[in-house]
Amino acid sequence: DAGITQSPRHKVTETGTPVTLRCHQTENHRYMYWYRQDPGHGLRLIHYSYGVKDTDKGEVSDGYSVSRSKTEDFLLTLESATSSQTSVYFCATSANRSYEQYFGPGTRLTVT
Amino acid sequence: AQSVTQLDSQVPVFEEAPVELRCNYSSSVSVYLFWYVQYPNQGLQLLLKYLSGSTLVESINGFEAEFNKSQTSFHLRKPSVHISDTAEYFCAVSERGYSTLTFGKGTMLLVSP
Repeated sequence: DAGITQSPRHKVTETGTPVTLRCHQTENHRYMYWYRQDPGHGLRLIHYSYGVKDTDKGEVSDGYSVSRSKTEDFLLTLESATSSQTSVYFCATSANRSYEQYFGPGTRLTVT
Repeated sequence: AQSVTQLDSQVPVFEEAPVELRCNYSSSVSVYLFWYVQYPNQGLQLLLKYLSGSTLVESINGFEAEFNKSQTSFHLRKPSVHISDTAEYFCAVSERGYSTLTFGKGTMLLVSP
């Protein structure tokens, strides 16, 4: 499995505050992804990256931004957190387009 | 656009019984297919994948899935389940040439003694 870490693992924040989640990988995978997981919705793609500084929107990108300045790091930012963004966030990586993705342990975010 | 349907949100089964978790997809192009497993409070782990070749693929812990192109299905089966198989299972599809996976909403497998 790819070495993928996410930080923080848990976070509680207040509505309106900015939040940044970090994903770090040690496998030199080109592709990185951010998902959110909510009951009844499965996993939904927020944003993904296909190389350093190359990103694109996913299914549920509103209210989120991303940045990738190094191959190993992919940041997800909630500019102004809302209660609807309370979720579990997963990072994933892939070596090849269309092939399997490897997942990090997740970050549980609660917006109060 | 592709989509994935997992017909059962929850499947209860007794230990040592067989189980089938159903997955259907829609896509107009060639696809790759995956099953992931998620244990409580953990990330998703790849269980098995179909990329090409034999339509029957197997995992190391006794699960298997068969790609059926005519029925656009990729059902997951195990002949005899264990308590430790209790988890949520996700089917996913990617279209060849594209960078993203589409996931089903998951099936919770509940194995009881």
